[in-house]
Amino acid sequence: NAGVTQTPKFQVLKTGQSMTLQCAQDMNHNSMYWYRQDPGMGLRLIYYSASEGTTDKGEVPNGYNVSRLNKREFSLRLESAAPSQTSVYFCASSEGHLGYGYTFGSGTRLTVV
Amino acid sequence: DQQVKQNSPSLSVQEGRISILNCDYTNSMFDYFLWYKKYPAEGPTFLISISSIKDKNEDGRFTVFLNKSAKHLSLHIVPSQPGDSAVYFCAPGGETSGSRLTFGEGTQLTVNP
Repeated sequence: NAGVTQTPKFQVLKTGQSMTLQCAQDMNHNSMYWYRQDPGMGLRLIYYSASEGTTDKGEVPNGYNVSRLNKREFSLRLESAAPSQTSVYFCASSEGHLGYGYTFGSGTRLTVV
Repeated sequence: DQQVKQNSPSLSVQEGRISILNCDYTNSMFDYFLWYKKYPAEGPTFLISISSIKDKNEDGRFTVFLNKSAKHLSLHIVPSQPGDSAVYFCAPGGETSGSRLTFGEGTQLTVNP
């Protein structure tokens, strides 16, 4: 049982380049999320998808776009990468009931130079 | 507006002693309060949760206490083990936050042998 799978695990981009971070879950969860983790700032929500076909902005959406391709997959796109987007990105999914929490992927470490 | 605050960036304890991690929040409408544990190069993993209608929840060596009047949450680990060394995030959520979790900044716990 893979849970939440993120690809790639590591990436280095030049300023202005674009890329898509992929996320897939095999738990039949309705809700999916993208977070970024920066030192001293915890996990900040970028975008989320409460169900297939819907997406909404989180706390720090600027510079990102998302696509909920189907129930399993939720991708995060950086159209023109900036050094401020250097971070560790985590994808998560949930059944929707807060008491059960989220299941996270292992993360993508992105460096923009 | 930081709704969730973990004021101690780090905590160091001796093996076998108690570890107490603290979390303060401002939103009195949170319904659930979760703790996540994160090892380096891995995604956060769910540790323990408590509903707003309770003041204590215990799971083995881990106990979470909720003081709603003080808007304060704490995680007790007894006895602490070196394998508990990780970053701990508190993450409350509720209907008023769109049924999404809000993460604190995290506390790095180091348990010394």
